[in-house]
Amino acid sequence: QVQLVESGGGLVKPGGSLRLSCAASGFTFSDYYMSWIRQAPGKGLEWVSYISSSGSTIYYADSVKGRFTISRDNAKNSLYLQMNSLRAEDTALYYCARVSYTSSWYFFDYWGQGTLVTVSS
Amino acid sequence: QTVVTQEPSFSVSPGGTVTLTCGLSSGSVSTTYYPSWYQQTPGQAPRTLIYSTSTRSSGVPDRFSGSILGNKAALTITGAQADDESDYYCVLYMGSGIVVFGGGTKLTVL
Repeated sequence: QVQLVESGGGLVKPGGSLRLSCAASGFTFSDYYMSWIRQAPGKGLEWVSYISSSGSTIYYADSVKGRFTISRDNAKNSLYLQMNSLRAEDTALYYCARVSYTSSWYFFDYWGQGTLVTVSS
Repeated sequence: QTVVTQEPSFSVSPGGTVTLTCGLSSGSVSTTYYPSWYQQTPGQAPRTLIYSTSTRSSGVPDRFSGSILGNKAALTITGAQADDESDYYCVLYMGSGIVVFGGGTKLTVL
């Protein structure tokens, strides 16, 4: 069955860096677009970034553009999010999600359980 | 800046019917935005309910349905049950891999 397992979260000081990972299994990872989505404590969901199946196309939310870098290693079935210049407002549970995309739909069909990032001095 | 609007909260009686909506700060929601809906209970990851406006995800009961009502996407729960008490999020696809989440609706069943 499809599994997405995030890791790499933790406590980091403002201005610091962190790299999140998402290990995928149960499907052909290289066939799917992937995304990172976050949820601040007690708040709603916020889309963060998207990467195409080959990694050639990438988009970011304005709130993280220039600070975060999404990447993937299809040989390792893994998705990554390098987060630099972290701010208190980046504190959130970070989910990786598989994207199901055709000419008729675009949605997140599987989600991981998330990894918590806390930015605090 | 595109804002996707949802009712912050809603309540429904057990067995009742409720319709949650998903709009745009400017403009109308249409099927071309591929509206999708997600249910999230406290401490859990979101669960996909509806995609492409009205298609139920695998395993989702048929008491959940999606549609376009006027200028908004809508999620209707018919015969609400206690375990439908959750947060519900809509997502609109803006193109080029970019999506926007609504702020979510907290549904209370009482």
